Amino acid sequence: SQQGEEDPQALSIQEGENATMNCSYKTSINNLQWYRQNSGRGLVHLILIRSNEREKHSGRLRVTLDTSKKSSSLLITASRAADTASYFCATDSSHIDRDDKIIFGKGTRLHILP
Amino acid sequence: DGGITQSPKYLFRKEGQNVTLSCEQNLNHDAMYWYRQDPGQGLRLIYYSQIVNDFQKGDIAEGYSVSREKKESFPLTVTSAQKNPTAFYLCASSMGYREAFFGQGTRLTVV
Repeated sequence: SQQGEEDPQALSIQEGENATMNCSYKTSINNLQWYRQNSGRGLVHLILIRSNEREKHSGRLRVTLDTSKKSSSLLITASRAADTASYFCATDSSHIDRDDKIIFGKGTRLHILP
Repeated sequence: DGGITQSPKYLFRKEGQNVTLSCEQNLNHDAMYWYRQDPGQGLRLIYYSQIVNDFQKGDIAEGYSVSREKKESFPLTVTSAQKNPTAFYLCASSMGYREAFFGQGTRLTVV
């Protein structure tokens, strides 16, 4: 079963605008991660936020985590054409079954329009 | 360079044939994972391993098998019991509660 669910499934915005993607999950977590995937390629890690953190920044990326709502958001500011990709949230499930497996959501497909 | 390598990049399987996908890492990571990705979909966990000589089933293990005889290697065999194997397969590794590193994937097609 997939732990995370991203919203929206697809997003198209103009270059220069900000893009916001959301992720909801079902059970308690140790950390939440965001990954990026270019078409037909492997995933690349973007940012990790721990369960005791509320916000984290990395360059043009801003991630928030609300453990009371079991949700996270990824904000990409000043979007560029090169940001076109699919974005996935992932959680570890060690609180579920004591195994450190990483479970991914279905992703948000982001398309930056020139 | 440290990293995780999958091979081959493209693989074709005939009906009733077993095929093995290779995954090797030199990152000294304990954990390794296999995921399946169908077009426009997310990643579904097939098998994962936390330590050598031990592995656990993920959500869609039926029709697949793995081994973990060495820390560096986690091959996935797609057996003839997997009736719909055409997909993009991704291998990853990680160390504890940290980021996962992914290979570039193997695209398997049934011919």
